[in-house]
Parts: sequence; structure tokens; C-alpha cells
Amino acid sequence: EVQLVESGGGVVQPGRSLRLSCAASGFTFEDYAMHWVRQVPGKGLEWVAGLEWNSRRIVYADSVKGRFTISRDNAKNSVYLEMNGLRSEDTALYYCAKDKDGSSFTGSYFDCRGQGTLVTVSS
Amino acid sequence: DMQLTQSPSSLSASIGDRVTITCRPSQSINGYLNWYHQRPGEGPKVLIYATNLLKSGVPSRFSGTVSGADFSLTIASLQPEDVGIYYCQQSYNTLYTFGQGTKLEIK
Repeated sequence: EVQLVESGGGVVQPGRSLRLSCAASGFTFEDYAMHWVRQVPGKGLEWVAGLEWNSRRIVYADSVKGRFTISRDNAKNSVYLEMNGLRSEDTALYYCAKDKDGSSFTGSYFDCRGQGTLVTVSS
Repeated sequence: DMQLTQSPSSLSASIGDRVTITCRPSQSINGYLNWYHQRPGEGPKVLIYATNLLKSGVPSRFSGTVSGADFSLTIASLQPEDVGIYYCQQSYNTLYTFGQGTKLEIK
């Protein structure tokens, strides 16, 4: 069974940094592209960032480009999200998501099999 | 910017009812439309991808179709575990966007 366990969330002041982690199990991690998706509690979904199985191609939402960095370690079955210059509008529940295959961002989907980790940006 | 307009925003139906949710993109998306189900306290799970492909493990009562510019998700016979919020999402380009969601409740 696919499992994704997110961690690293917390309360942080505006302008500070935070690093989220996602531990994957139940599938061959190195075969799949991975993404981060976020959701303001009680609101809709927003895709944040994604990377191919071999990290060759990485894409970001315009709202986080230049501030967030997605990365992965296939040896550790993990994906990360380094968040710098945090803003109040980054407050959300962050989900790690598995794509349908390894490398095509056209036709991607975001299967979120975890509980998410909450990031609160507040002074 | 690409927008997805879902309708209705909420609905209430009885067990066994046939339920349909619609999603209209603001631009052509070449069939790259996915559907998700989110229960309270959980992340969104994929039901249908590429308009009408049923993700492995998803019950066959769920189906996806397209007619003209309108994409639809249909639940053939509503079950208690189908309550929650349903979202559509386009993956035609990497400016991925979601619909605003449809909240489904049991009457």
C-alpha cells in the first residue's frame, strides 16, 4: 500500500525558512515523479512544485518560484521542500503527492496518501 | 490563466442515487483532466485521470466522460463512503489548476 508521511511543519515568522520532508513507502519510489500540493484549511487545493524521477526536470508554481526548492533522495525514498522567505499566504497544510509515472509532466496527477504537515507563517 | 469551473458547489443525494459533477475549463486541455476525492482529515485521492481512465483500486461505480467543453464525474450508485469533496484538475500544462470543489453529502 502506498504511504506518504509528511513532516517538518510548524509555526514560523514571516521571512524565515522551513524544510519539509516526505518519506515514501509501498512503491518503487525512484520510478515516479513527486510533487507537493498545499491546502489552506477549509479551502481549495494548490499545486506547489514537482520533480521528475531523476530530478532532471523541476517545475514550480509562480507563487513560490525563487523561494521554494524541491528535491529528492531516491536512496532514502524521500522528497523535500525547502521553503525560504515565507509569507503569511504560504500558511497551509502541505501534502506530498505521487505522480502517475516518472517523467511526463503533461498528464500528471497528484495522489496524496498522507495526512499532510501544517505550516503556519505568523509573527 | 487557466480556470476550471465546477458545478454544483454542493449537493445532497440519497444512497443509491446517480450523481454527476461537472467541470468546465476556460481553455482547451486536450483531455488532460483528473478527478479527486477528499475525505475530512485526508489528502485528495485520484479517482479518474485523462478524462475517463479509472485509477487502479477505485470502485467501478465512478466514471468520467466529456461532452463538448464539459467534463463530468459520475457516481453510478452513491455509497456512504463517497461523502466528501470532489475536485477536478487539469494537467495540460504545468500551470496546474484545480476546480473549486464540490461538497457531496448524504441526504
